Amino acid sequence: KAGVTQTPRYLIKTRGQQVTLSCSPISGHRSVSWYQQTPGQGLQFLFEYFSETQRNKGNFPGRFSGRQFSNSRSEMNVSTLELGDSALYLCASSYSGVSTDTQYFGPGTRLTVL
Amino acid sequence: QKEVEQNSGPLSVPEGAIASLNCTYSDRVSQSFFWYRQYSGKSPELIMSIYSNGDKEDGRFTAQLNKASQYVSLLIRDSQPSDSATYLCAVNMNSGGYQKVTFGIGTKLQVIP
Repeated sequence: KAGVTQTPRYLIKTRGQQVTLSCSPISGHRSVSWYQQTPGQGLQFLFEYFSETQRNKGNFPGRFSGRQFSNSRSEMNVSTLELGDSALYLCASSYSGVSTDTQYFGPGTRLTVL
Repeated sequence: QKEVEQNSGPLSVPEGAIASLNCTYSDRVSQSFFWYRQYSGKSPELIMSIYSNGDKEDGRFTAQLNKASQYVSLLIRDSQPSDSATYLCAVNMNSGGYQKVTFGIGTKLQVIP
């Protein structure tokens, strides 16, 4: 079974720009979650999508948004980029969701904001 | 108080010893607890999940949960150099009506040959 894939793997943007990251889950998985990982804050939960609906969310500003398509692929968008948005963005998929299920992480997208 | 607390380490143990990794959490009603391992430059991968008080064993790994003390731990027996990684404790929590998974900062484990 193919694993979770994320594109692009690396991105360099400047402050004020916006960016869209993509995540393709493991076949059959309906839940996709997004995380931000930084050395100082660790791994922080952004949101979870399940069957095209945002089901859970963390404590991030509205500049961070996402969506999920009917094939379970998900995109995350960050608008008006700030220097502090530089991080590794990981997505994870699971069959039934973050509450009880094993999550499988993708390789991540490394975002650098200049 | 952080929602999920771990000592960032590094925790150094000799090869063959038992490594003990600890985690405390703040939400008394949390029901799901996970340990992930993350090698440098790689993504986290699940080692163990535990939902009930007590011990759960899987090979060289044992997860221990004490909900009354809000404490979860991971024991690694016969530690190997390949176990050197950062171990992340994750706890399912309810926040404002939403379920979320909160990770600790992670404990860096170094197994010395």
